[in-house]
Amino acid sequence: EPEVTQTPSHQVTQMGQEVILRCVPISNHLYFYWYRQILGQKVEFLVSFYNNEISEKSEIFDDQFSVERPDGSNFTLKIRSTKLEDSAMYFCASSGQGRFYEQYFGPGTRLTVT
Amino acid sequence: RKEVEQDPGPFNVPEGATVAFNCTYSNSASQSFFWYRQDCRKEPKLLMSVYSSGNEDGRFTAQLNRASQYISLLIRDSKLSDSATYLCVVNPLTGNQFYFGTGTSLTVIP
Repeated sequence: EPEVTQTPSHQVTQMGQEVILRCVPISNHLYFYWYRQILGQKVEFLVSFYNNEISEKSEIFDDQFSVERPDGSNFTLKIRSTKLEDSAMYFCASSGQGRFYEQYFGPGTRLTVT
Repeated sequence: RKEVEQDPGPFNVPEGATVAFNCTYSNSASQSFFWYRQDCRKEPKLLMSVYSSGNEDGRFTAQLNRASQYISLLIRDSKLSDSATYLCVVNPLTGNQFYFGTGTSLTVIP
């Protein structure tokens, strides 16, 4: 069964550093998303991406964040100048049919900023 | 006002019990609705979509009440493996992000 994959599973970084989280969405999906979940809190939307551009972003997704689809398979989230409060689980998701259809989530990357 | 609200629980039920979760949403124009389950420190996994007419998948039944803006999930004959957090997820008419509830914790006790 096709699945979304994410690497690394755990990333530890120092405050102020840049990190890149990687995702490989399900191969025939067209809509891609990043969410984050701070420990003990709810899942929060960051950004959606379609047709090689951002289609929607939340208030959380400020200039510190960027997304890219560098090739036909990878989808990345870059976080510049990381802060302690960026520590969270970051989930990538993809959807095949459009914005009203089910999203399938990857296993997540746990980001720890020290 | 929160987009999606759920009773956080926890619900502790014996094996074999029937348990129901409710969820309310604020945007009356919301288009699609889902239940996901999330195990501790894992990703949300799609449990079922919720259709206007209600739908059933084995021991799980989902209902949508547009007039009252709530969705429900009924689990019959609870199994130990049903222990998880159940997430109510709503997709509004505008935009394509999902709004997640905080989740309802279920523990099924032997």
